[in-house]
Order: sequence, then C-alpha cells, then structure tokens
Amino acid sequence: DVKVTQSSRYLVKRTGEKVFLECVQDMDHENMFWYRQDPGLGLRLIYFSYDVKMKEKGDIPEGYSVSREKKERFSLILESASTNQTSMYLCASSRQGNSDTQYFGPGTRLTVL
Amino acid sequence: AQKVTQAQTEISVVEKEDVTLDCVYETRDTTYYLFWYKQPPSGELVFLIRRNSFDEQNEISGRYSWNFQKSTSSFNFTITASQVVDSAVYFCALSERQGTGNQFYFGTGTSLTVIP
Repeated sequence: DVKVTQSSRYLVKRTGEKVFLECVQDMDHENMFWYRQDPGLGLRLIYFSYDVKMKEKGDIPEGYSVSREKKERFSLILESASTNQTSMYLCASSRQGNSDTQYFGPGTRLTVL
Repeated sequence: AQKVTQAQTEISVVEKEDVTLDCVYETRDTTYYLFWYKQPPSGELVFLIRRNSFDEQNEISGRYSWNFQKSTSSFNFTITASQVVDSAVYFCALSERQGTGNQFYFGTGTSLTVIP
C-alpha cells in the first residue's frame, strides 16, 4: 500500500513564526504536492514537484516555499506564519503521468494565533 | 472559471436511500482523467475511482456506481442503499496535461450526511 505520512496531525503556531510541514512517501513516486483545504473552497494547490530539487508554483504559492532534497520527502515552509494561513494542509504523491492517482497523507491542521 | 464543479454543497439522506453526487468538468484536452475521492471525518482523502477520457463505460463497485458522459462533461457518482459509514465529503477531480507534467483540479466537495 502507498503510504504518505505527514509530520504532525495538529500544529499551533504564533504569527511570525517559521513553520515546517514535512511529508514523506514510501512508494518512490516522482510527483509530490501540497494543498490547503478550506471550507467552501475545496483543495487548492500550493506547490508541486516532479523531481528532486524541482518545484513549481500552484494556484496559491504566496507566503509559502517548498523544498525537495530527497525523492521521498517534500517540505512546505511558511516563512512567517500569518493567521490567514490557518488551514488544513494535505500532502499527496503520485507517479509521473496524468493518469496516475494522487495518494494523500492524513493532513496537518495548522492554527496560527 | 472552475475546472470542476460540484454544485451540491451538502446533501442529507436517510439510511438506505440512494443518492447521486454530481460532477461537471471543463477541459480542452482530448486525454484526461477523472477521479472521485472520499474524505471521512478522520481527514484523509481516500481514492475511489479513476476514469480516462476514452472509456465512457459506467462502472459499478458494490454499492457505488459512476456515470461518465462526455457529451455533458459529467462524471456523477451514485451510492445505492446508503449507510451511515458513507457520511463524508466527496471530491471529484480532473487531471490534465500541463507542461511536462500533469495537474489535478479538485471540485469544492459535496458533504454527504446519511441519517440513521
């Protein structure tokens, strides 16, 4: 079975803090994705990566950065957390190709106070 | 414009009723893929089905069935004899080629509540 894990299920941070959300997949997938999920807005793509050290902006990259130093790990970084970044963050991975299913981690619910 | 539209925000049904969740998509690609995911209260999105644009055959898996119609750009999902465990948010998604890779577009989800 595909396994995507995220470092925390719940996280509480203060405004201005630097926040790291980690995602690890164990299926040797080339593609990895970060989404945020907000009520009424569905899933919105923040960043994605098709290969190690490669990243591309999604629909809402402002205020976020990412890092992919190893194939299995994709990190989302909030350089200076703000209250409007309070959300559920979902990581996903897939093989290359648009036919391939994205598999999701359990999500991290981040609250920024 | 929304690539994937799930017009039903919330649906409530009584247990054992059938329910259909609608999904309308928009794409110019001739090759694309459609998906349905289930998100139970635990939060993790669970993959249910993938369908490619060349296969319009309906699919049935137990109590679940999917109706794909390219003519109306719809990929609807029906749950027969609903159960309380079906209560979840359901997302429809479209995958199409973009540059050297592919991108997923998710609908805003339909929250289904099955009342015992």
